[in-house]
Amino acid sequence: AQSVTQLGSHVSVSEGALVLLRCNYSSSVPPYLFWYVQYPNQGLQLLLKYTSAATLVKGINGFEAEFKKSETSFHLTKPSAHMSDAAEYFCAVRNQGAQKLVFGQGTRLTINP
Amino acid sequence: DAGVIQSPRHEVTEMGQEVTLRCKPISGHDYLFWYRQTMMRGLELLIYFNNNVPIDDSGMPEDRFSAKMPNASFSTLKIQPSEPRDSAVYFCASSVGGERLYTEAFFGQGTRLTVV
Repeated sequence: AQSVTQLGSHVSVSEGALVLLRCNYSSSVPPYLFWYVQYPNQGLQLLLKYTSAATLVKGINGFEAEFKKSETSFHLTKPSAHMSDAAEYFCAVRNQGAQKLVFGQGTRLTINP
Repeated sequence: DAGVIQSPRHEVTEMGQEVTLRCKPISGHDYLFWYRQTMMRGLELLIYFNNNVPIDDSGMPEDRFSAKMPNASFSTLKIQPSEPRDSAVYFCASSVGGERLYTEAFFGQGTRLTVV
């Protein structure tokens, strides 16, 4: 079964520092990949998605992610963290031919002043 | 569009009572998903519908849970009888399906259920 693993349930960075949130998927066939963000007491909001058009994907709020087939990874980055980036981030995968989204366990991002 | 609308936002009920959660998907979306979020298990897919028909309910925990979609604009998730371990945030999401697997799912704000 398709699965996705997020390394690190908690990540803490200083304001202005690089943000790196890791996501690896398990599939021999590249799936469709998504990053969502969840702010406290809110639903999930799409940050960006990989649809095989380009390996480097840019999303909202300055985030981007790079699809690396050789590493089965889709890590999320942002060059300079802002206090407003504090939230929980979820990587999700949709296998080709399937409809359901399978989510990773999430990574809680904390930004230190 | 107002997005996916869920009601109520918060529900507190006593063990043994029936609970009904409601969802209105985005107009034109043909897939509807129910997820449950807990600290221990993260986001779990409970069931999803395509054109109002249940496609995969393998994530439904047990017979106490049931979901319906009587029409394209409304779905319910019912728990009867409720138990404290059902306490969680329940999300409804909708998407456009078919060959457009690259399309994302849009989530509602969730219903926070507490069973005491």
